Amino acid sequence: QQQVKQSPQSLIVQKGGISIINCAYENTAFDYFPWYQQFPGKGPALLIAIRPDVSEKKEGRFTISFNKSAKQFSLHIMDSQPGDSATYFCAASNSGGYQKVTFGTGTKLQVIP
Amino acid sequence: DVKVTQSSRYLVKRTGEKVFLECVQDMDHENMFWYRQDPGLGLRLIYFSYDVKMKEKGDIPEGYSVSREKKERFSLILESASTNQTSMYLCASSLQSRLPFFYEQYFGPGTRLTVT
Repeated sequence: QQQVKQSPQSLIVQKGGISIINCAYENTAFDYFPWYQQFPGKGPALLIAIRPDVSEKKEGRFTISFNKSAKQFSLHIMDSQPGDSATYFCAASNSGGYQKVTFGTGTKLQVIP
Repeated sequence: DVKVTQSSRYLVKRTGEKVFLECVQDMDHENMFWYRQDPGLGLRLIYFSYDVKMKEKGDIPEGYSVSREKKERFSLILESASTNQTSMYLCASSLQSRLPFFYEQYFGPGTRLTVT
């Protein structure tokens, strides 16, 4: 059972463009939504995270938009750069548990010059 | 810097062999996790541990077991390896949740296991 659905599976964006990755969840008990970034040969690393009490969080060129009523959230990468080329995972967790995190299926982003 | 290390980057084993994957973290984290990563399926949780000698099944525990005898070390065991266990295995660790804080998971570089 896939509790966090992520799309698209792959994405090609021109340098300077906006990359958008979408996720949807089913479990209303989730209350923490992190995004992880993974470069080839490396483990994933936390990029940015949001709680459902805010609708948007921005860190540099990375923004999470959150729609609690629709149970959807998305990652926007502004002014995308070749160095952003990586696999991105959205995730969701219930902070009341042992920090067990449910991950989406991943989006492979390629930013071309 | 938090460091999570995994014993091997690449491993090739034969069907039926017993396989041990080792993970060590150096930040005194309570929680440790084992995931497998497959294309199109993302990261799926196999087992996690929230304390020494304590373990909980994740979403896909069949065919796997774990051991945590020391706080810094978490081992994944494939009792009898099969070809469908060929995958990338990732270990992670985190502090225990202390509301309202939520602590990120720190990942190791992964072990690519091939079972032939």
